Amino acid sequence: EAGVAQSPRYKIIEKRQSVAFWCNPISGHATLYWYQQILGQGPKLLIQFQNNGVVDDSQLPKDRFSAERLKGVDSTLKIQPAKLEDSAVYLCASSLGVSSNTQYFGPGTRLTVL
Amino acid sequence: SQQGEEDPQALSIQEGENATMNCSYKTSINNLQWYRQNSGRGLVHLILIRSNEREKHSGRLRVTLDTSKKSSSLLITASRAADTASYFCATDNSARQLTFGSGTQLTVLP
Repeated sequence: EAGVAQSPRYKIIEKRQSVAFWCNPISGHATLYWYQQILGQGPKLLIQFQNNGVVDDSQLPKDRFSAERLKGVDSTLKIQPAKLEDSAVYLCASSLGVSSNTQYFGPGTRLTVL
Repeated sequence: SQQGEEDPQALSIQEGENATMNCSYKTSINNLQWYRQNSGRGLVHLILIRSNEREKHSGRLRVTLDTSKKSSSLLITASRAADTASYFCATDNSARQLTFGSGTQLTVLP
């Protein structure tokens, strides 16, 4: 079974530029999560999707971050414009849905904002 | 904010020794999970313990949960160099959302 795929793996941009991350969850997984992990910390939930609907985006800085999961499968996370403090690893995870507690994580995208 | 806090922040042991990591959390939970993260990689689920369980085993892993003290511990027995990683506890709520602690960096020396 293929795992959660993310791209790109690394991205370096200058502040005020835009960036987008892509995630392909495990086939059949209804729930998709985006996390931000700052160096030395645990992951922090940004947004949770159930199929193509948003369950919780209360931790997403909506003035600059946006995310979508239009067809209930792949998802993109965008930052526009980026700030220095956005430097982090962005992790995507998926799970079967409300019946499952276990999340499966992708390798993450390491973003560096200069 | 982080729900859980792991202790210690860093742990260095010799191969073959046991490693114990502790986690404390603040609010009521449905379940508590432990994840491992190798450097530069995503997180891998290790074990889940439900709020009505006190102890659980999986291979070389032993997890305990004390809901009265809002704490959990992860024991890795007979550690190997390949166990070198960061270990995170995470509590989950009814919406299946995980709140992670800050992690313990375990180094197993050969």
